[in-house]
Amino acid sequence: KQEVTQIPAALSVPEGENLVLNCSFTDSAIYNLQWFRQDPGKGLTSLLLIQSSQREQTSGRLNASLDKSSGRSTLYIAASQPGDSATYLCAGAPRQGGKLIFGQGTELSVKP
Amino acid sequence: GAVVSQHPSWVICKSGTSVKIECRSLDFQATTMFWYRQFPKKSLMLMATSNEGSKATYEQGVEKDKFLINHASLTLSTLTVTSAHPEDSSFYICSAQTGEPAKNIQYFGAGTRLSVL
Repeated sequence: KQEVTQIPAALSVPEGENLVLNCSFTDSAIYNLQWFRQDPGKGLTSLLLIQSSQREQTSGRLNASLDKSSGRSTLYIAASQPGDSATYLCAGAPRQGGKLIFGQGTELSVKP
Repeated sequence: GAVVSQHPSWVICKSGTSVKIECRSLDFQATTMFWYRQFPKKSLMLMATSNEGSKATYEQGVEKDKFLINHASLTLSTLTVTSAHPEDSSFYICSAQTGEPAKNIQYFGAGTRLSVL
């Protein structure tokens, strides 16, 4: 059964720092992977989607990479801002058309 | 971009009553919609997959008679929590998938917080 682990569970950093969030899958057979942002009491906002043929995606200050051989993904946030404070969730599909399996999230707090 | 509207955003009800939550894709047709449940500080748990015009597929451990799902059109799916009890209190989130299932792109609603007294 595919399980997703996100490390760390919580992270607090001062504004301006670069940071890395980690996501790992028990089964490295991942078709594609998404990173989401969730603000308290809100739904999910898709940040980056890495398709099956891709290794990384970039959007602004965010960069996500996927290493299929190890079943690991990282989300890199450059020059963090207080507005980045939220919970970040990764989710992977184990096969084409398969269900998304979510990690438990990393709660990020960026202090001014 | 693809927008999914979920209504209501927050509902409080008495134990024993039923609550209906709507999920609409506003600017695209969604052949498949998903319903998730999220407990505080926990991840999203898939409850069921809803396909337009057919019965929903429920995940193991999810009571079909408790959580009724209807996907009557390509833009609307509803989740009805029947005879709600305090343990049903949770955050429910829907998502809708566009016509390219191979890409697994799901667009999520803003969620509904259900509190059962």
